[in-house]
Amino acid sequence: DADVTQTPRNRITKTGKRIMLECSQTKGHDRMYWYRQDPGLGLRLIYYSFDVKDINKGEISDGYSVSRQAQAKFSLSLESAIPNQTALYFCATSDSGQGAAGNTIYFGEGSWLTVV
Amino acid sequence: GIQVEQSPPDLILQEGANSTLRCNFSDSVNNLQWFHQNPWGQLINLFYIPSGTKQNGRLSATTVATERYSLLYISSSQTTDSGVYFCAVVSRNSGNTPLVFGKGTRLSVIA
Repeated sequence: DADVTQTPRNRITKTGKRIMLECSQTKGHDRMYWYRQDPGLGLRLIYYSFDVKDINKGEISDGYSVSRQAQAKFSLSLESAIPNQTALYFCATSDSGQGAAGNTIYFGEGSWLTVV
Repeated sequence: GIQVEQSPPDLILQEGANSTLRCNFSDSVNNLQWFHQNPWGQLINLFYIPSGTKQNGRLSATTVATERYSLLYISSSQTTDSGVYFCAVVSRNSGNTPLVFGKGTRLSVIA
């Protein structure tokens, strides 16, 4: 089983619909992230959370919201989906220590979202 | 914020060839990681290397922090090396913030 699990893996939704992408991790990490990948643009940060009561906006948070329901769960919502939110979405986790162990980031397998 | 530039943007290699991918960054860093995204979209962490040199099989990486660049070397390339390679950094001056990614180098290894 994957350490960082994203659901759904693929979703097609209509413009204006609300959709939630869920992420759960079994690595026991404090920190969780949502990134978006568009062709040619690399990964851009949407939101991140360093513990259960901590939520921070990233570079491209407009149109998105998140919820950190537990240490192991971090969900991303699109309140009213629009076509330019069509992208590959990644959840990731990392620990809060020092050095490689504390800074290495681990990604889920990604969620392909298409908004039509 | 910190800027991350990767070069070349695209690279095509014959199987067995060697290659060097470069990552330049605009500020001092305390975290630098290299990732490989395979053709199925999976992102795999290759190296955590804010400074110095590391090797893992046919891959090695060197970060010269004082000159603000990192290099990823792939030797004796194989078709399974194909995909996109990302460099990601955290600025030493940005406090406790997440990784900022470059736009990647797309590598195609041809048999």
